[in-house]
Amino acid sequence: GAVVSQHPSWVICKSGTSVKIECRSLDFQATTMFWYRQFPKQSLMLMATSNEGSKATYEQGVEKDKFLINHASLTLSTLTVTSAHPEDSSFYICSASDLQGDEQFFGPGTRLTVL
Amino acid sequence: QKEVEQDPGPLSVPEGAIVSLNCTYSNSAFQYFMWYRQYSRKGPELLMYTYSSGNKEDGRFTAQVDKSSKYISLFIRDSQPSDSATYLCAIIVGFKTIFGAGTRLFVKA
Repeated sequence: GAVVSQHPSWVICKSGTSVKIECRSLDFQATTMFWYRQFPKQSLMLMATSNEGSKATYEQGVEKDKFLINHASLTLSTLTVTSAHPEDSSFYICSASDLQGDEQFFGPGTRLTVL
Repeated sequence: QKEVEQDPGPLSVPEGAIVSLNCTYSNSAFQYFMWYRQYSRKGPELLMYTYSSGNKEDGRFTAQVDKSSKYISLFIRDSQPSDSATYLCAIIVGFKTIFGAGTRLFVKA
């Protein structure tokens, strides 16, 4: 199957700093990328959907100014958590789908801890 | 009411048992039904997907969909300790995937 990578796999930062998470599709062109957040023992919650070259579509309740998403190429999307706070600590997972869109391929996730 | 309901468990079974995992959904417009497996601190991996009512088999795994009852199931035969993970059902409508809460499964050797 297709491979999606994320970097970093884990990050610890101080409150008030910004953190950037990268999501790359390694062997296919990701027309659409999705960003999810998963709190402990909870399911994945979709934060936003981004199509290459256009602005991301955010789910209700997700602050677009706090979670900046860039999908500038068909193989790379980034999520920047701005002015992170302890309540932003979570497991962030990206997924990508190609033009057919039948299947999402998930990255391994990034664990963010904000002190 | 959540769009997808799934019992979070945990579910603990002995090795070799048949495991039944279930979800219910509320929206008849849902098009695709999927099951993902997620190991601790890892991203989900797709196990099976289907879009029609009935059964679909893949090795020890069988996915079952009953659209009339809005009920989907995943059966695992001859369960192994390596099957211990969280299993998430997921339902696609349009371009959006909606996940169940996930059921944590423990298979004891």
